[in-house]
Amino acid sequence: DGGITQSPKYLFRKEGQNVTLSCEQNLNHDAMYWYRQDPGQGLRLIYYSQIVNDFQKGDIAEGYSVSREKKESFPLTVTSAQKNPTAFYLCASSTGYQPQHFGDGTRLSIL
Amino acid sequence: QKEVEQNSGPLSVPEGAIASLNCTYSDRGSQSFFWYRQYSGKSPELIMSIYSNGDKEDGRFTAQLNKASQYVSLLIRDSQPSDSATYLCAVSRHAGGTSYGKLTFGQGTILTVHP
Repeated sequence: DGGITQSPKYLFRKEGQNVTLSCEQNLNHDAMYWYRQDPGQGLRLIYYSQIVNDFQKGDIAEGYSVSREKKESFPLTVTSAQKNPTAFYLCASSTGYQPQHFGDGTRLSIL
Repeated sequence: QKEVEQNSGPLSVPEGAIASLNCTYSDRGSQSFFWYRQYSGKSPELIMSIYSNGDKEDGRFTAQLNKASQYVSLLIRDSQPSDSATYLCAVSRHAGGTSYGKLTFGQGTILTVHP
């Protein structure tokens, strides 16, 4: 089935550690997005990419990095510079005139 | 002022009633508007999109848009307990739901439908 796969579902980070969240889609979508959701809050955009090898910062990019080497993959690295990384991370994709659809998310916590 | 603001919840309605969810936005250049439903612990699911003034109906859901008032709403008729969720309003400056539009989300409204 076509869809957006995020892994892992749960992730724990130690102090000073970088962690990478995976997002893969087999929908042949051009654009991909990363959002962060804190408890009781809406979603905030971290990074987005319209085409391979190109991406733009969203509203809260500090402490995060991304790459877009393949159309189907858009991994997010949460670096040690992100001091408050505990959140629910959501990846989305879209193409043409279609709205964004989301993966199942990754919950990141601090050990 | 928040860019996208939703009516504060939680909202509680009896089964079979109409639930009304409201959203205002500050950017007059906004052109695409979406409602997502998010069950607890799950990711958002798109339920409605609307791009022009007026009403758009899909089953028990009706989205209403008034660009002059910078207001978008979602009505849920014949509310069911399975409609209990957080509803997120999202807005984009890009027309026609183009894929490269950044979405700005409201904080969400929790809806509870009680039997």
